[in-house]
Amino acid sequence: GENVEQHPSTLSVQEGDSAVIKCTYSDSASNYFPWYKQELGKRPQLIIDIRSNVGEKKDQRIAVTLNKTAKHFSLHITETQPEDSAVYFCAASSGSQGNLIFGKGTKLSVKP
Amino acid sequence: DAGVIQSPRHEVTEMGQEVTLRCKPISGHDYLFWYRQTMMRGLELLIYFNNNVPIDDSGMPEDRFSAKMPNASFSTLKIQPSEPRDSAVYFCASSFGGARGEQFFGPGTRLTVL
Repeated sequence: GENVEQHPSTLSVQEGDSAVIKCTYSDSASNYFPWYKQELGKRPQLIIDIRSNVGEKKDQRIAVTLNKTAKHFSLHITETQPEDSAVYFCAASSGSQGNLIFGKGTKLSVKP
Repeated sequence: DAGVIQSPRHEVTEMGQEVTLRCKPISGHDYLFWYRQTMMRGLELLIYFNNNVPIDDSGMPEDRFSAKMPNASFSTLKIQPSEPRDSAVYFCASSFGGARGEQFFGPGTRLTVL
């Protein structure tokens, strides 16, 4: 089955710096890769996603890149702000199944 | 739509008691997922349904856990008997099209078993 590895588990940056979170997956049939943000005490919420027919997608300060050959995808946050502090989860569709496989999460701290 | 609705939001119970968590998915969604989140184990998929039918329950920890979806607008996750190690936040999520679409999470139920 699908397996998703996420790194790093914690990330601390200064406000204004960029942050990069990386994930790898194992199932070459996976074709949908969402990223979720979970603020403290809140539910996970989708912030951006990418499908396997696209190599990169941007939404303001957030971008995701996908390398299907290497089976890895990354989240890039530019000009970080304190409100970006949260836990970020990557996920991959499990091939023929209907569920997502989530990474273990990255706790991002943005210091003012 | 009000989004995914879960009840109760908080539950404190004593070891050995039965616990029932409830979820109302977004209308029109055909997939429903139950997750458990702890600091140690992260976000774990327990079970998911497609059109009210359980598809994969391999994540259910043991026989003490059971889940049902009697209709398209309601699901329950039951723990009987509960144990302290079951303390966690339980999320319900729903989506249209399974892994091809966004999963919308409910607010979660924080369960504490004393």
